[in-house]
Amino acid sequence: DIQMTQSPSTLSASVGDRVSITCRASQSISSWLAWYQQKPGKAPKLLIYKASTLERGVPPRFSGRGSGTEFTLTLGSLQPDDFATYYCQQYNSYPWTFGQGTKVEI
Amino acid sequence: QVQLVESGGGLVKPGGSLRLSCAASGFTFSDYYMSWVRQAPGKGLECISYISSSGSTIYYADSVRGRFTISRDNAKNSLYLEMNGLSVEDTAVYYCARDDGAYVWGQGALVTVSS
Repeated sequence: DIQMTQSPSTLSASVGDRVSITCRASQSISSWLAWYQQKPGKAPKLLIYKASTLERGVPPRFSGRGSGTEFTLTLGSLQPDDFATYYCQQYNSYPWTFGQGTKVEI
Repeated sequence: QVQLVESGGGLVKPGGSLRLSCAASGFTFSDYYMSWVRQAPGKGLECISYISSSGSTIYYADSVRGRFTISRDNAKNSLYLEMNGLSVEDTAVYYCARDDGAYVWGQGALVTVSS
């Protein structure tokens, strides 16, 4: 199985900050990577797919980049609603696998 | 719009069994791979099983292989997860998910295994 490693595990930030989360794959996954946001008690919400394509309705302050084994999710200007946990997921090779998550907190 | 609605969660004793169901609507169910993804309390996400559109290809994570059985009924637009031999480590929210590569998620069903 492909291992996905996110860093950092926790990120402390303030409203208005620009923050980035890194996701590394144990082998090349081309651009087959998704990013999700999850809030407590809720299902994950798709933000970005194919590494950099914004899901419909997701604010443009979210952006993704990368290919191969290294990927980045950037939140351009943190809003109060953005404090949540973020997961990356590869869908290059079954079984699809997730990073361990990054909690963005105040 | 796409809807995935899980049911069948609840409290069960160690060693017990439970069957989760997922009712799908808003898309052609028989065209898609479907998955069960679980999340233990305070933990991350794990795909524990998936099934191909026809049901001919099935995967189980090592953590559930031999105890859980995934199935689908394309005529009823439904996905199932039969869970046997449950242990406290199986306590989690279980999500039904449509596999588009990226997942489309249901709201989740809580399974609590406790004596």
